[in-house]
Amino acid sequence: GENVEQHPSTLSVQEGDSAVIKCTYSDSASNYFPWYKQELGKRPQLIIDIRSNVGEKKDQRIAVTLNKTAKHFSLHITETQPEDSAVYFCAARPTLIFGTGTRLQVFP
Amino acid sequence: EAQVTQNPRYLITVTGKKLTVTCSQNMNHEYMSWYRQDPGLGLRQIYYSMNVEVTDKGDVPEGYKVSRKEKRNFPLILESPSPNQTSLYFCASSLVGNTEAFFGQGTRLTVV
Repeated sequence: GENVEQHPSTLSVQEGDSAVIKCTYSDSASNYFPWYKQELGKRPQLIIDIRSNVGEKKDQRIAVTLNKTAKHFSLHITETQPEDSAVYFCAARPTLIFGTGTRLQVFP
Repeated sequence: EAQVTQNPRYLITVTGKKLTVTCSQNMNHEYMSWYRQDPGLGLRQIYYSMNVEVTDKGDVPEGYKVSRKEKRNFPLILESPSPNQTSLYFCASSLVGNTEAFFGQGTRLTVV
């Protein structure tokens, strides 16, 4: 079955800096890669996704890149703000397998 | 309002006492899935279902059962709960394919 690995497990940045979270997947049949943000005590919510026929997607301060050959995909957050502090999960479909999560802390 | 609803939100039970956590969605989604969330381990898939009467094991199915008799409901059954099943559980649903999955509010289960 699919296996998704995510790094780093924790990430601390200064407000205004960029943050990058990386994931790898094992199943070459996976074709959809969403990213979820989970704030403390809340459910995960989708922040951005990318499909296998696209190499990069951007939405304001967040972007995702996909390298299908290497089976890597990454989340990039620019100009980080304290409200970006949360746990971020990458995932791969079709069966929606998640990585182990990255706790991002943005210090003012 | 489109939503995924789990019940109960919190549950404390004793070892061996059968329990059911319900999950219901009103979006006509074919795909539904259960996850458990433990510190440092992320969201691990327990079971998933691609449609009515179709269920498959995820990564950690031991000690759990599910059923999908109708499209909107996907209950999680613990026949004989044990303390190692103490966890935060999430149900999710989506259309089949490359689409967003929506999560329920979560159920915090403690087995003593």
